[in-house]
Amino acid sequence: AQSVAQPEDQVNVAEGNPLTVKCTYSVSGNPYLFWYVQYPNRGLQFLLKYITGDNLVKGSYGFEAEFNKSQTSFHLKKPSALVSDSALYFCAVRDKGTGSARQLTFGSGTQLTVLP
Amino acid sequence: GAGVSQSPSNKVTEKGKDVELRCDPISGHTALYWYRQSLGQGLEFLIYFQGNSAPDKSGLPSDRFSAERTGGSVSTLTIQRTQQEDSAVYLCASSSGGLTAETQYFGPGTRLLVL
Repeated sequence: AQSVAQPEDQVNVAEGNPLTVKCTYSVSGNPYLFWYVQYPNRGLQFLLKYITGDNLVKGSYGFEAEFNKSQTSFHLKKPSALVSDSALYFCAVRDKGTGSARQLTFGSGTQLTVLP
Repeated sequence: GAGVSQSPSNKVTEKGKDVELRCDPISGHTALYWYRQSLGQGLEFLIYFQGNSAPDKSGLPSDRFSAERTGGSVSTLTIQRTQQEDSAVYLCASSSGGLTAETQYFGPGTRLLVL
């Protein structure tokens, strides 16, 4: 079974400050990890993913995430937050195993608010 | 290019009525997924189609829920005898081939309200 935990329902950060949205995962094998963002009344928009290789993944809009296998984490980061980054962020996981299900398992989401 | 489209964007229905939700995936994508996003429940997987293979229905919550995909493209999710707990946003996603590393691209969703 695969699962994702986003321990913070809400993260507030001042504009211009660095932001971190936390994610930890559990899979039986090795993971593929994804971050999506959802703006109000919109679908999920892909930000970045980790497949293999470099543990630091860079994605859209200046976001990046670091894969840490020992801590089973994949935290989303941005060096300088913008008010327009305010949205709902979802972490998702899928097991790499060939017999694994194809669907993503999502965390419960973290509401990011960037204060001007 | 065009993304995943879903219709209707909003649907209000009365308890006990049947509803059909439509998803039009990205052209050429052979994999199609339905998810449900409920308040306080996050996103949960419902069903997965890959090409002409039998769909993975393991996430459907009850036999009132069904889905089909005609011609390997458009998909319809049907909920029969709707209940108030079916109120949610139903999201459709597609990916190019159903491989586990692929990115799924989501549509804007259909917001269903059952009165």
